[in-house]
Amino acid sequence: DGGITQSPKYLFRKEGQNVTLSCEQNLNHDAMYWYRQDPGQGLRLIYYSQIVNDFQKGDIAEGYSVSREKKESFPLTVTSAQKNPTAFYLCASSIPGGYTFGSGTRLTVV
Amino acid sequence: KQEVTQIPAALSVPEGENLVLNCSFTDSAIYNLQWFRQDPGKGLTSLLLIQSSQREQTSGRLNASLDKSSGRSTLYIAASQPGDSATYLCAVRDAGGTSYGKLTFGQGTILTVHP
Repeated sequence: DGGITQSPKYLFRKEGQNVTLSCEQNLNHDAMYWYRQDPGQGLRLIYYSQIVNDFQKGDIAEGYSVSREKKESFPLTVTSAQKNPTAFYLCASSIPGGYTFGSGTRLTVV
Repeated sequence: KQEVTQIPAALSVPEGENLVLNCSFTDSAIYNLQWFRQDPGKGLTSLLLIQSSQREQTSGRLNASLDKSSGRSTLYIAASQPGDSATYLCAVRDAGGTSYGKLTFGQGTILTVHP
């Protein structure tokens, strides 16, 4: 079955550490996205990519970085510059017919 | 800047009731509107997608309508069941730029259906 796979499901980060969240899709979608979800704030766009080797900042890109070396993969790195990284992170891909979301990664700072 | 509002923020109903969730958006120049369901700690599951040229979409007990000119959409759930309990999110994709545009989400409606 086609879909989006996010890993790991839970991730713990120490202060000052960089961590990378994985997102893989086998839907053959061109566009991919990273959203952050906080309680009471809905989903906010971090980065998006419309084609391989190209990506744009979303509304809250500071402290995050991405790469798009393959169509299927869009990893997100949460850097030490992100001061409040504890949140639920959702990856998505899209075609004009709509979005498909992964199951999410919950990141906690310890 | 597109803004999406969902009302009510939370809703608790007895099993069997028909209910309506509301979504409004400020910029009517949208490409499409999508309703999602989210269970606690899980990702988003797409329920219905309405293109800007459409008025409504139906899937089983769910019906979503779109009035683009007034910036409103409603999600109608018939004969609600406890398994419908979840957060329901409305999201719009703007018409500007490419058709791969970003989604703007509402805050969601938390639905509880009790037996």
